[in-house]
Amino acid sequence: NAGVTQTPKFQVLKTGQSMTLQCAQDMNHEYMSWYRQDPGMGLRLIHYSVGAGITDQGEVPNGYNVSRSTTEDFPLRLLSAAPSQTSVYFCASSADRDPNQPQHFGDGTRLSIL
Amino acid sequence: SQQGEEDPQALSIQEGENATMNCSYKTSINNLQWYRQNSGRGLVHLILIRSNEREKHSGRLRVTLDTSKKSSSLLITASRAADTASYFCAPRDGNQFYFGTGTSLTVIP
Repeated sequence: NAGVTQTPKFQVLKTGQSMTLQCAQDMNHEYMSWYRQDPGMGLRLIHYSVGAGITDQGEVPNGYNVSRSTTEDFPLRLLSAAPSQTSVYFCASSADRDPNQPQHFGDGTRLSIL
Repeated sequence: SQQGEEDPQALSIQEGENATMNCSYKTSINNLQWYRQNSGRGLVHLILIRSNEREKHSGRLRVTLDTSKKSSSLLITASRAADTASYFCAPRDGNQFYFGTGTSLTVIP
């Protein structure tokens, strides 16, 4: 199984550019989420979704947009990139009909904003 | 922030020794999960303990939970060089997970 697939693996942007980080899972999981990981800060939740058509904000949502048109895909959009958004971004999914299920993570997208 | 917080931040032990990591959190929780991250990779789920459980075992892993103190511990017994990684606790409150900053474990062969 592919699990959770994130693309691209690396990206460099200029300040003010926009881009979409892709996340796809093939496990028919209802719950999907996006985190950013910064040195000394752990993982912080950006946005999450409990099913197609449903999204909600996490701890650090400003500057990011998400949508969930299908169960499989949960893209993260940077509207106008800023150097403060330089980070490693992780997508995760879980079978959330039972909340006592683990999250499955992708390998991350390393994003640099110049 | 409602993040979990691991202690110690870094831990270095000899192969064969036990490693203990602690986690404190601020929220009420549905469960608390522990994850492992190898350098440059995503996180891998290790073990989950529900809010009504006090202790759980899985192979060489033992996790405890004290909801009155809002704390958890992860014990890795008989450590191996391959256990070298960062370990994160993730308390779950509703639909949100609050990851800590992690403990960096180095196991010396």
